[in-house]
Amino acid sequence: ETGVTQSPTHLIKTRGQQVTLRCSSQSGHNTVSWYQQALGQGPQFIFQYYREEENGRGNFPPRFSGLQFPNYSSELNVNALELDDSALYLCASSPLVGPAEQYFGPGTRLTVT
Amino acid sequence: RKEVEQDPGPFNVPEGATVAFNCTYSNSASQSFFWYRQDCRKEPKLLMSVYSSGNEDGRFTAQLNRASQYISLLIRDSKLSDSATYLCVPDGGATNKLIFGTGTLLAVQP
Repeated sequence: ETGVTQSPTHLIKTRGQQVTLRCSSQSGHNTVSWYQQALGQGPQFIFQYYREEENGRGNFPPRFSGLQFPNYSSELNVNALELDDSALYLCASSPLVGPAEQYFGPGTRLTVT
Repeated sequence: RKEVEQDPGPFNVPEGATVAFNCTYSNSASQSFFWYRQDCRKEPKLLMSVYSSGNEDGRFTAQLNRASQYISLLIRDSKLSDSATYLCVPDGGATNKLIFGTGTLLAVQP
């Protein structure tokens, strides 16, 4: 086990709603990255947080936003949910900022109906 | 051209076989490379990091050819427990992200 935890494990939302997903990083890790993994695809980078600031962003619209807290835990917020947002959302923590080795939590499976 | 290209498989091999996966990447600025394995409906788990020309860890060997922008993973003496999807992951160059391929599915048969 990596020590990265995520909540909730599963979530069902309706199109247009908003959702908040949570992640606690592994002890000693100060960097958190979020990924979206659709069925049959590899994880796609959403953004990375370091020292409570966004430190890189993938090709996702502004309705995907995040936060990092002083204890390095993080939240992913998605507004105005669309059907295509249905996916596994993965949080990964790293002891180094940037594209270093990353350790994943078990993910949150979001279904938008 | 896709950022990362992998043969999706499936690779069906008997126990004890040697199997190799290939991967090409498009960003010549990538410096760090990783192989992750992912079991069905689980999170990716780091298998190996590749920072220079290659790395070996027990039955697993990764090789990197920067000139050809090509990475490979060799698994010797395959075990049933090696059955998983193997993801090739270069870094995004100047960006702070990892770029995942769609993965290669390995099924080791008894």
